[in-house]
Amino acid sequence: DSGVTQTPKHLITATGQRVTLRCSPRSGDLSVYWYQQSLDQGLQFLIQYYNGEERAKGNILERFSAQQFPDLHSELNLSSLELGDSALYFCASSVRDTAYEQYFGPGTRLTVT
Amino acid sequence: AQSVTQPDIHITVSEGASLELRCNYSYGATPYLFWYVQSPGQGLQLLLKYFSGDTLVQGIKGFEAEFKRSQSSFNLRKPSVHWSDAAEYFCAVGGTGGGNKLTFGTGTQLKVEL
Repeated sequence: DSGVTQTPKHLITATGQRVTLRCSPRSGDLSVYWYQQSLDQGLQFLIQYYNGEERAKGNILERFSAQQFPDLHSELNLSSLELGDSALYFCASSVRDTAYEQYFGPGTRLTVT
Repeated sequence: AQSVTQPDIHITVSEGASLELRCNYSYGATPYLFWYVQSPGQGLQLLLKYFSGDTLVQGIKGFEAEFKRSQSSFNLRKPSVHWSDAAEYFCAVGGTGGGNKLTFGTGTQLKVEL
């Protein structure tokens, strides 16, 4: 158990819908990262937050957004969902915003039908 | 841009045999390198990391990796594989610029024959 929690574990929804994935980092970690894992794209970095501020952005679609709250938990919002958004979404956390190992949560499996 | 290559998609070894998983990276400065393991339906577990110093790093579960700057490699090794090591292994590179994103390789699926 890494100490990073993600809810829900599984999510099934229809195309065009909007969902919110939630992540709580390890105690003491200030930085949160979101990654997408799919069969065709592999593990892709989406976005990083550090102490409430966006720190780095990767291959995140405009239909996706994220935020980190004062209690340091983070939410990833996915809207206008398409079949291709079906994937495993991981949250990770680390103590600092750079040069530090990341600990991953168990993931949320999103299925868009 | 940083990138990671794991040339072996699948590897099968017999239980008790030694293991080496290959990883080559591309990064402009001194890289930070990681190996993660993912069991079916699970998240990624950190096996070991290299930031600086001794180029041979020890990790959990009896794994080790060696950083070779001249070859841009960070291969993962284990002297004797156990059946429970069957999983997918990911090499990743991170850096200090522009945040702390990890770039992952495509993974190597390890099968252990009893």
